[in-house]
Amino acid sequence: GAGVSQSPRYKVAKRGQDVALRCDPISGHVSLFWYQQALGQGPEFLTYFQNEAQLDKSGLPSDRFFAERPEGSVSTLKIQRTQQEDSAVYLCASSSRTGNQPQHFGDGTRLSIL
Amino acid sequence: RKEVEQDPGPFNVPEGATVAFNCTYSNSASQSFFWYRQDCRKEPKLLMSVYSSGNEDGRFTAQLNRASQYISLLIRDSKLSDSATYLCVVTLYSSASKIIFGSGTRLSIRP
Repeated sequence: GAGVSQSPRYKVAKRGQDVALRCDPISGHVSLFWYQQALGQGPEFLTYFQNEAQLDKSGLPSDRFFAERPEGSVSTLKIQRTQQEDSAVYLCASSSRTGNQPQHFGDGTRLSIL
Repeated sequence: RKEVEQDPGPFNVPEGATVAFNCTYSNSASQSFFWYRQDCRKEPKLLMSVYSSGNEDGRFTAQLNRASQYISLLIRDSKLSDSATYLCVVTLYSSASKIIFGSGTRLSIRP
């Protein structure tokens, strides 16, 4: 498809389990962002890639969160030893332009930690 | 204080009405400003950029006031399909990745 694709669409995990969320950006888009969106809130920045380089990971809430984009296209956000407060929608966005706007968002992965 | 603040609403207005809401930002180094729209359980989508001189796109008008550090969005002749959450977005000069979203203003248009 032409848009940003995220999988899975929904993920339910038990507390303590590891999860991996995938983002397939628009082909050719250099910039890739991960956001966390809690209910009733706006997206909160997690991390940013320019091609395969992770230029900013200041938004990752703890060292349990890890993201990679090894070949500069598909990205994976991994959360280790999940906690209930990790429950949120995780949005991926990509952009082709300098200034990183507009951002094209995927549908998100809705993560629920039981 | 949050870096970008919005009135969460909800704003509940009749179809055809004009509605406006503001967004304030705290960092004077903010460079670029945007309004995104997010439908329930959907991803955010860019609605419009906000330019210093103000700009209009059909029924939508965006304004920027740098002195008072706020941006506004005006919707004229509102349609039922305008019902959504409107997210204010601010980017900073210092970093290409420093993109800050407000919590959003919920708008509901009633018939």
